[in-house]
Amino acid sequence: EDKVVQSPLSLVVHEGDTVTLNCSYEVTNFRSLLWYKQEKKAPTFLFMLTSSGIEKKSGRLSSILDKKELFSILNITATQTGDSAIYLCAVLGYSSASKIIFGSGTRLSIRP
Amino acid sequence: EAGVTQFPSHSVIEKGQTVTLRCDPISGHDNLYWYRRVMGKEIKFLLHFVKESKQDESGMPNNRFLAERTGGTYSTLKVQPAELEDSGVYFCASSQEAGAYTDTQYFGPGTRLTVL
Repeated sequence: EDKVVQSPLSLVVHEGDTVTLNCSYEVTNFRSLLWYKQEKKAPTFLFMLTSSGIEKKSGRLSSILDKKELFSILNITATQTGDSAIYLCAVLGYSSASKIIFGSGTRLSIRP
Repeated sequence: EAGVTQFPSHSVIEKGQTVTLRCDPISGHDNLYWYRRVMGKEIKFLLHFVKESKQDESGMPNNRFLAERTGGTYSTLKVQPAELEDSGVYFCASSQEAGAYTDTQYFGPGTRLTVL
């Protein structure tokens, strides 16, 4: 069965710290791995990763995928209070059509 | 450009009642998805429409749930009769090309359903 496991489940850091969120997965016929940020309402799209070793960057956020180890990390540098959110990792497999398989998320809290 | 919208944002009903949730996808998106997050669990897929057709409804929990997308625009998800375990947040998402390698699903804010 396809699954996504995220760690840690929750994390509290101080503003300015760097954090690394982890995501491991098992999926039949991997197509892509997705990261979403969920604040109060809608999960908002951050990154889509399809190839190993290619880092995706957006400002202070970056992510990389390792298809051999079935693993991805999301890094946030110089964290700000606005980074506080639940970060969701998810995967898409070709055999599951367009059904996204989500992890349980990492709840990140940034203290001033 | 407007994002995915959902209505209502919150619904509180009693066990046995009927509730209808609505989702308006991003204009031009043929693909519409329903997901659900129940307390303490991860977000799970319910079903996928391509225009007005159900492409995949493998995640629908039982026949108390009925999803429609008449005309291929907005979609409704009806729960009848509602049970306590149906409580959770129901998300809708839409995308342009489900089969495309880089297709991205954009999520709405969700409807929080509470069944008492």
